[in-house]
Amino acid sequence: EAGVAQSPRYKIIEKRQSVAFWCNPISGHATLYWYQQILGQGPKLLIQFQNNGVVDDSQLPKDRFSAERLKGVDSTLKIQPAKLEDSAVYLCASSLVEGSQDTQYFGPGTRLTVL
Amino acid sequence: GENVEQHPSTLSVQEGDSAVIKCTYSDSASNYFPWYKQELGKRPQLIIDIRSNVGEKKDQRIAVTLNKTAKHFSLHITETQPEDSAVYFCAFNFGTGNQFYFGTGTSLTVIP
Repeated sequence: EAGVAQSPRYKIIEKRQSVAFWCNPISGHATLYWYQQILGQGPKLLIQFQNNGVVDDSQLPKDRFSAERLKGVDSTLKIQPAKLEDSAVYLCASSLVEGSQDTQYFGPGTRLTVL
Repeated sequence: GENVEQHPSTLSVQEGDSAVIKCTYSDSASNYFPWYKQELGKRPQLIIDIRSNVGEKKDQRIAVTLNKTAKHFSLHITETQPEDSAVYFCAFNFGTGNQFYFGTGTSLTVIP
C-alpha cells in the first residue's frame, strides 16, 4: 500500500513570498490533516478535511494560510505571504474513517525555511 | 488549544533498562490516545494506541496504560535497544471527535 505522498520535500523562500505544498493521501482515506511542526515541538493541527469539506480549521492562521481539497483526494496548503515564524515542517496525514479515532498515517513532510 | 503535558522532555537510559513517558490531558471526554515515534528527519509513526474502554495495552516490548480518573496515560518500553532512540509524542483527541493534540515530545536516548 502506498503511503501519504508530499511535495516538495524542501523549500527555501524569502519572507513575504508565497509557497504551496501538495499532499496525496493514502487511497481511499476520507480524512486528511495538515500539521505544522516547529523544530523541537509536537505537530500542531492546522486544518482537517473530511472528503472535500473542512471539519476543523480553528488553528489555521487564515490571514495568510489557505488550504483546499477540491475533489476530496489531493490537497494543497498555501502560505501567502510567508513570515520568518512559518519556518517548520508541514506534515500531511490521512486516516480511513471520519474522526480522530482512527490511525493517522503521516507523509514525509515538507521542510520550509523562510529567510 | 487543549492542555497536554508530556514528561520528561529528555530521557537517557542504559540499553536493557526500561523507559517510561507520561502525558497528562485535561478533557475528560477524550477517548483515543496514540503514541508516535519520530526519528530524526523522519515522519511520526504510530507505535501503539489505546482507547478509553481499556486500561492497558501491550505489544511486545511496548505498553501503554491509561488512568482516566487522573487523566494521564503512559508509554512503557522494556528491554530498551539503541534503535528505540527517537522522539516520542503522545496525542489524544479533544472530546470524542476530530481535533487531535500532540504533546511536546520526549527525546529518548538508549546508551549501548
